[in-house]
Amino acid sequence: EPEVTQTPSHQVTQMGQEVILRCVPISNHLYFYWYRQILGQKVEFLVSFYNNEISEKSEIFDDQFSVERPDGSNFTLKIRSTKLEDSAMYFCASSERVRGGTGELFFGEGSRLTVL
Amino acid sequence: AQSVTQLDSHVSVSEGTPVLLRCNYSSSYSPSLFWYVQHPNKGLQLLLKYTSAATLVKGINGFEAEFKKSETSFHLTKPSAHMSDAAEYFCVVRGYGGSQGNLIFGKGTKLSVKP
Repeated sequence: EPEVTQTPSHQVTQMGQEVILRCVPISNHLYFYWYRQILGQKVEFLVSFYNNEISEKSEIFDDQFSVERPDGSNFTLKIRSTKLEDSAMYFCASSERVRGGTGELFFGEGSRLTVL
Repeated sequence: AQSVTQLDSHVSVSEGTPVLLRCNYSSSYSPSLFWYVQHPNKGLQLLLKYTSAATLVKGINGFEAEFKKSETSFHLTKPSAHMSDAAEYFCVVRGYGGSQGNLIFGKGTKLSVKP
């Protein structure tokens, strides 16, 4: 069964460092997403991406965050200058479509980011 | 705005007994609702979804959920729990209009299954 894969599974970084989290969505999917879950809190939407541009972003997704699809297969989340509060599990997801409200999101296993 | 409330943070059942995980939603429009499951150190897996078709939705692994508009509920049930059902379960509503790609998660209910 096709799946979304994420790397790394766990990354530890120093505050202020840049981090790139990578995702390989399911190959025929057109919509891509990043969510995050701070320990003990809800899973929160960060951003959605379609046709090589951001289609929606939450208030969390500020200027320190960016996403891109550099090579047609990977979908990356970059955090420019990490803060302690960025420590979380980051989930990538993809879907075939979103309009019509029935496009199922397939999630990866997550990348745990720890900022020291 | 859409939201979901999971009424229990932790539910514990014995193997072979029924499971009930409760979820209430708030939506100005006819909602699309989902249940996702997360096993330890695994990703989020879709259990089932309601998208305005049949109100009783059957999912994987014997789970089902009933959409009740009058009660604004979408509770998840299973007749007989199995040890492998131990996981965290999330009730989710899809955003509306321009936010259709935005899934809004509940806080999650951790299900423990005792032998």
